Parts: sequence; structure tokens; C-alpha cells
Amino acid sequence: GDSVTQTEGPVTVSESESLIINCTYSATSIAYPNLFWYVRYPGEGLQLLLKVITAGQKGSSRGFEATYNKETTSFHLQKASVQESDSAVYYCALGGDNNAPRFGAGTKLSVKP
Amino acid sequence: DAGVTQTPRHEVAEKGQTIILKCEPVSGHNDLFWYRQTKIQGLELLSYFRSKSLMEDGGAFKDRFKAEMLNSSFSTLKIQPTEPKDSAVYLCASSLGKETLYFGSGTRLTVL
Repeated sequence: GDSVTQTEGPVTVSESESLIINCTYSATSIAYPNLFWYVRYPGEGLQLLLKVITAGQKGSSRGFEATYNKETTSFHLQKASVQESDSAVYYCALGGDNNAPRFGAGTKLSVKP
Repeated sequence: DAGVTQTPRHEVAEKGQTIILKCEPVSGHNDLFWYRQTKIQGLELLSYFRSKSLMEDGGAFKDRFKAEMLNSSFSTLKIQPTEPKDSAVYLCASSLGKETLYFGSGTRLTVL
């Protein structure tokens, strides 16, 4: 079936360090997958961070980037220099035109000041 | 525009009870989703509706979980009978086509 696997948390990094949260997907029933990163900040609801619907393209938001790699079936989330305000839970998700998005288990990120 | 509204925010039930969770999607959105959120499993799909028609029903949840869309602006999720393992946060989300999902704040269910 369709599924998403992402870095198991919790992940702790220091402020200004670089970050990568891995995400790989398996799209057996989706011909043209769409890929998403959602984020839940403390005390807030789940919200979209970035999305990419075309293989080979890169999405970016709030200093985060992710490239849709069809060859490696990956959509890793990266940031060059994290801030304490980036502390949150990050979810990778896989969707299609007629499919409900499938989410990974989530990665809790804590950024130390 | 109002976002996705879920009620109640918290629900406590005894094992074996029937509970009904409610969701009002963003006005004009035609896709509605129910997910269960746990720390171990993350977000698990329960049901997906498009224009009030059921598109997907989470296979593992079919026996005791039933979602319905009574009209385009209201959905319910019934759990009957509840079990302690159902304790989780239940999220409702809506979207327009395949675009961004907008999530509600969730209902935290505790089954004793």
C-alpha cells in the first residue's frame, strides 16, 4: 500500500545547526504522487509547511527546503540553520488526486538555545 | 472564513460507550478527512469523503468506526463501542480538491 517513513524522533539540535529530517515514500496506488510537509507548533494545530507536486521540483518555506526525488522516492526536509522557534512536530505526507494523504509517524524536533 | 471546527475538544468515555465527534469543514471545501493521531502511529486515516461521497474507509477501523457526512458542512465520527485503545486525538481536515489540508484543533478522546 501507500506509505511514508520518516526519521524517528525525538531529534534534538542546537540553534544555528543544520537539520535534515528524512522522508521516503512508497506510492503503489498513486500514479502521480504529491508530497507535503506539515508542522504542528506547540499549542497550535497541524498546518502545511510546504508541498511539491512535480517530481524534481523543490519546495521551500520558513527557511526549510525539500526536493521531490522520484528516483530515490524521497522528500527529505532540510534547513541550514535552525532556530528555537522551529521546535515542533514535523509530518511528511503523500497524496494523490483521488487519494487521502498518508502521513508518516511524525518527527519531534527540539532546538536548544 | 472560519477554519475547521471540531467539537467537543475533550471527551471522556467509559469502555463500551458510544461517542460521536463532530466536524464542520471550511465553507466551500469538498474534501473531508478524519484521522486518528497517536504518538506511535502518527496520523492514521479513518475516512475520506469527496462531495459527501465516501472515497476511502480506513481498513483497520471499519468495524467500530463510522463517519458520515450529513450535508456538505457537517460530518460526524461515531465510535461504537469504545475501547481503551481508542484513546487518541481525532483530527478532522478539509480541502478543496487535492490542495492543502486544513486541520481542526482535534478532539482528545480518553476511554477509561
